[in-house]
Amino acid sequence: GDSVTQMEGPVTLSEEAFLTINCTYTATGYPSLFWYVQYPGEGLQLLLKATKADDKGSNKGFEATYRKETTSFHLEKGSVQVSDSAVYFCALSGTSYGKLTFGQGTILTVHP
Amino acid sequence: DADVTQTPRNRITKTGKRIMLECSQTKGHDRMYWYRQDPGLGLRLIYYSFDVKDINKGEISDGYSVSRQAQAKFSLSLESAIPNQTALYFCATSDRAAGDGDTQYFGPGTRLTVL
Repeated sequence: GDSVTQMEGPVTLSEEAFLTINCTYTATGYPSLFWYVQYPGEGLQLLLKATKADDKGSNKGFEATYRKETTSFHLEKGSVQVSDSAVYFCALSGTSYGKLTFGQGTILTVHP
Repeated sequence: DADVTQTPRNRITKTGKRIMLECSQTKGHDRMYWYRQDPGLGLRLIYYSFDVKDINKGEISDGYSVSRQAQAKFSLSLESAIPNQTALYFCATSDRAAGDGDTQYFGPGTRLTVL
Protein backbone atom coordinates (compact mmCIF):
# COMPACT_ATOMS: atom_id res chain seq x y z
CA GLY A 1 0.00 0.00 0.00
CA ASP A 2 0.91 3.68 -0.06
CA SER A 3 3.21 5.06 2.62
CA VAL A 4 5.03 8.28 3.50
CA THR A 5 8.16 8.57 5.63
CA GLN A 6 9.32 11.89 7.06
CA MET A 7 12.54 12.72 8.81
CA GLU A 8 12.45 12.31 12.55
CA GLY A 9 11.94 15.42 14.60
CA PRO A 10 11.85 17.64 16.42
CA VAL A 11 13.94 20.07 14.39
CA THR A 12 15.27 23.16 16.16
CA LEU A 13 16.80 26.03 14.20
CA SER A 14 17.86 29.62 14.71
CA GLU A 15 16.11 32.36 12.79
CA GLU A 16 17.42 32.79 9.21
CA ALA A 17 18.81 29.25 9.10
CA PHE A 18 18.24 26.95 6.11
CA LEU A 19 15.54 24.31 6.52
CA THR A 20 15.22 20.88 4.97
CA ILE A 21 12.61 18.33 6.01
CA ASN A 22 13.00 15.06 4.16
CA CYS A 23 10.03 13.14 2.80
CA THR A 24 10.06 9.91 0.82
CA TYR A 25 7.12 7.89 -0.37
CA THR A 26 6.03 4.52 -1.66
CA ALA A 27 3.14 4.38 -4.10
CA THR A 28 2.23 2.81 -7.39
CA GLY A 29 1.45 4.96 -10.34
CA TYR A 30 1.77 8.72 -10.19
CA PRO A 31 0.60 10.15 -6.88
CA SER A 32 0.05 13.81 -6.10
CA LEU A 33 2.24 15.09 -3.27
CA PHE A 34 1.47 17.66 -0.59
CA TRP A 35 2.95 19.49 2.34
CA TYR A 36 0.55 20.61 5.05
CA VAL A 37 1.41 22.82 8.03
CA GLN A 38 -0.25 22.84 11.44
CA TYR A 39 0.37 25.90 13.59
CA PRO A 40 -0.13 25.56 17.36
CA GLY A 41 -3.78 25.08 18.25
CA GLU A 42 -4.94 25.15 14.64
CA GLY A 43 -6.00 22.74 11.89
CA LEU A 44 -3.98 21.70 8.86
CA GLN A 45 -3.36 24.19 6.11
CA LEU A 46 -2.16 23.31 2.64
CA LEU A 47 1.35 24.70 2.24
CA LEU A 48 2.20 23.50 -1.25
CA LYS A 49 1.63 20.66 -3.68
CA ALA A 50 2.87 19.01 -6.86
CA THR A 51 0.77 16.79 -9.08
CA LYS A 52 3.35 15.35 -11.48
CA ALA A 53 7.01 14.43 -11.64
CA ASP A 54 9.53 17.32 -11.73
CA ASP A 55 6.89 19.84 -10.66
CA LYS A 56 8.01 22.31 -8.01
CA GLY A 57 5.48 23.49 -5.46
CA SER A 58 6.18 26.78 -3.68
CA ASN A 59 4.49 29.05 -1.16
CA LYS A 60 5.58 31.51 1.55
CA GLY A 61 9.26 30.91 0.72
CA PHE A 62 8.94 27.14 1.03
CA GLU A 63 9.68 24.86 -1.92
CA ALA A 64 9.51 21.16 -2.71
CA THR A 65 10.24 19.30 -5.96
CA TYR A 66 8.53 16.06 -6.95
CA ARG A 67 11.38 13.62 -7.68
CA LYS A 68 10.02 10.39 -9.07
CA GLU A 69 13.47 8.82 -9.54
CA THR A 70 14.18 9.11 -5.80
CA THR A 71 10.52 8.98 -4.69
CA SER A 72 11.07 12.13 -2.66
CA PHE A 73 9.41 15.48 -1.95
CA HIS A 74 11.74 17.28 0.43
CA LEU A 75 10.61 20.60 1.91
CA GLU A 76 13.11 23.49 1.90
CA LYS A 77 13.22 27.11 2.97
CA GLY A 78 16.23 29.34 2.65
CA SER A 79 15.69 31.48 5.75
CA VAL A 80 13.26 30.42 8.45
CA GLN A 81 11.43 32.76 10.80
CA VAL A 82 10.09 32.29 14.30
CA SER A 83 6.59 32.31 12.79
CA ASP A 84 7.43 29.14 10.83
CA SER A 85 7.40 27.14 14.08
CA ALA A 86 4.76 24.45 13.48
CA VAL A 87 4.24 20.79 12.63
CA TYR A 88 4.81 19.89 8.98
CA PHE A 89 3.15 16.91 7.32
CA CYS A 90 4.05 15.32 4.02
CA ALA A 91 1.17 13.49 2.31
CA LEU A 92 0.27 11.76 -0.92
CA SER A 93 -2.91 11.12 -2.85
CA GLY A 94 -2.22 7.91 -4.69
CA THR A 95 -3.68 4.63 -5.74
CA SER A 96 -6.91 5.11 -3.81
CA TYR A 97 -7.82 8.39 -5.38
CA GLY A 98 -9.02 11.02 -2.97
CA LYS A 99 -7.50 9.44 0.13
CA LEU A 100 -4.48 11.12 1.65
CA THR A 101 -1.73 9.09 3.25
CA PHE A 102 0.24 11.14 5.78
CA GLY A 103 3.70 10.99 7.22
CA GLN A 104 4.03 11.17 10.99
CA GLY A 105 4.75 14.90 11.04
CA THR A 106 7.89 16.88 11.88
CA ILE A 107 7.89 19.45 14.66
CA LEU A 108 9.87 22.58 13.74
CA THR A 109 10.89 25.13 16.37
CA VAL A 110 12.65 28.32 15.31
CA HIS A 111 14.40 30.42 17.95
CA PRO A 112 15.15 34.16 17.63
CA ASP B 1 -10.00 27.10 6.72
CA ALA B 2 -13.18 29.02 7.64
CA ASP B 3 -15.09 27.26 4.85
CA VAL B 4 -14.95 24.00 6.83
CA THR B 5 -16.35 24.20 10.34
CA GLN B 6 -16.43 21.62 13.10
CA THR B 7 -18.49 21.47 16.26
CA PRO B 8 -17.76 21.18 19.08
CA ARG B 9 -14.16 22.38 19.18
CA ASN B 10 -13.50 20.70 22.49
CA ARG B 11 -15.35 17.91 24.27
CA ILE B 12 -14.75 15.96 27.45
CA THR B 13 -16.88 12.88 27.98
CA LYS B 14 -16.95 9.66 29.95
CA THR B 15 -16.41 6.08 28.92
CA GLY B 16 -19.54 4.53 27.43
CA LYS B 17 -21.18 7.79 26.34
CA ARG B 18 -22.37 8.38 22.79
CA ILE B 19 -20.71 11.34 21.10
CA MET B 20 -21.38 13.07 17.80
CA LEU B 21 -18.93 15.36 16.05
CA GLU B 22 -20.27 17.52 13.26
CA CYS B 23 -18.71 18.97 10.15
CA SER B 24 -20.16 21.50 7.74
CA GLN B 25 -18.66 23.03 4.62
CA THR B 26 -19.54 25.92 2.35
CA LYS B 27 -16.97 25.07 -0.34
CA GLY B 28 -19.45 23.12 -2.45
CA HIS B 29 -17.18 20.09 -2.46
CA ASP B 30 -18.58 16.63 -3.06
CA ARG B 31 -16.06 14.64 -1.03
CA MET B 32 -15.72 14.67 2.75
CA TYR B 33 -13.41 12.86 5.17
CA TRP B 34 -12.88 12.21 8.86
CA TYR B 35 -9.37 11.76 10.28
CA ARG B 36 -7.94 11.38 13.74
CA GLN B 37 -4.57 12.71 14.83
CA ASP B 38 -2.48 11.09 17.52
CA PRO B 39 0.98 12.31 18.56
CA GLY B 40 3.72 10.73 16.44
CA LEU B 41 1.25 8.95 14.16
CA GLY B 42 0.21 11.65 11.75
CA LEU B 43 -3.38 11.59 10.58
CA ARG B 44 -5.30 8.39 9.96
CA LEU B 45 -8.45 8.09 7.90
CA ILE B 46 -11.60 6.95 9.72
CA TYR B 47 -14.32 7.29 7.06
CA TYR B 48 -14.77 9.03 3.76
CA SER B 49 -17.70 9.92 1.54
CA PHE B 50 -17.50 10.70 -2.17
CA ASP B 51 -21.12 11.82 -2.30
CA VAL B 52 -24.26 11.63 -0.17
CA LYS B 53 -24.93 7.98 -1.03
CA ASP B 54 -21.31 6.80 -1.09
CA ILE B 55 -19.74 6.19 2.33
CA ASN B 56 -16.63 4.09 2.87
CA LYS B 57 -14.56 2.84 5.76
CA GLY B 58 -11.04 4.08 6.19
CA GLU B 59 -8.13 2.37 7.89
CA ILE B 60 -9.42 2.76 11.48
CA SER B 61 -13.24 2.69 11.33
CA ASP B 62 -13.86 0.28 14.24
CA GLY B 63 -15.82 1.99 17.02
CA TYR B 64 -16.98 4.81 14.74
CA SER B 65 -19.93 5.47 12.45
CA VAL B 66 -20.80 8.33 10.12
CA SER B 67 -23.77 10.01 8.51
CA ARG B 68 -23.78 12.20 5.39
CA GLN B 69 -26.95 14.20 5.93
CA ALA B 70 -26.41 16.45 2.92
CA GLN B 71 -23.61 17.32 0.55
CA ALA B 72 -22.43 19.95 3.03
CA LYS B 73 -22.71 17.93 6.26
CA PHE B 74 -20.81 14.90 7.48
CA SER B 75 -21.09 13.69 11.08
CA LEU B 76 -18.91 11.27 13.01
CA SER B 77 -20.34 9.27 15.92
CA LEU B 78 -18.70 7.30 18.68
CA GLU B 79 -21.43 4.93 19.81
CA SER B 80 -19.75 4.04 23.11
CA ALA B 81 -16.67 6.13 23.72
CA ILE B 82 -13.52 4.57 25.18
CA PRO B 83 -10.36 6.28 26.48
CA ASN B 84 -8.19 5.28 23.51
CA GLN B 85 -10.47 7.36 21.30
CA THR B 86 -9.03 10.45 22.97
CA ALA B 87 -7.54 12.35 20.04
CA LEU B 88 -7.79 15.36 17.78
CA TYR B 89 -10.39 14.81 15.04
CA PHE B 90 -10.34 16.57 11.69
CA CYS B 91 -12.89 16.87 8.94
CA ALA B 92 -11.70 17.57 5.40
CA THR B 93 -13.25 18.18 1.98
CA SER B 94 -12.16 17.94 -1.64
CA ASP B 95 -13.61 18.54 -5.07
CA ARG B 96 -13.42 15.66 -7.55
CA ALA B 97 -13.96 17.97 -10.49
CA ALA B 98 -11.26 20.50 -9.57
CA GLY B 99 -8.43 18.61 -11.26
CA ASP B 100 -6.01 19.66 -8.49
CA GLY B 101 -4.75 16.25 -7.46
CA ASP B 102 -7.73 15.98 -5.13
CA THR B 103 -6.39 18.58 -2.70
CA GLN B 104 -8.06 18.32 0.68
CA TYR B 105 -9.05 21.27 2.87
CA PHE B 106 -9.26 20.79 6.61
CA GLY B 107 -11.45 22.11 9.38
CA PRO B 108 -10.03 23.46 12.66
CA GLY B 109 -10.38 20.16 14.50
CA THR B 110 -12.24 18.82 17.54
CA ARG B 111 -10.25 17.86 20.61
CA LEU B 112 -12.00 14.92 22.26
CA THR B 113 -11.09 13.58 25.68
CA VAL B 114 -12.66 10.36 26.94
CA LEU B 115 -12.25 9.81 30.68
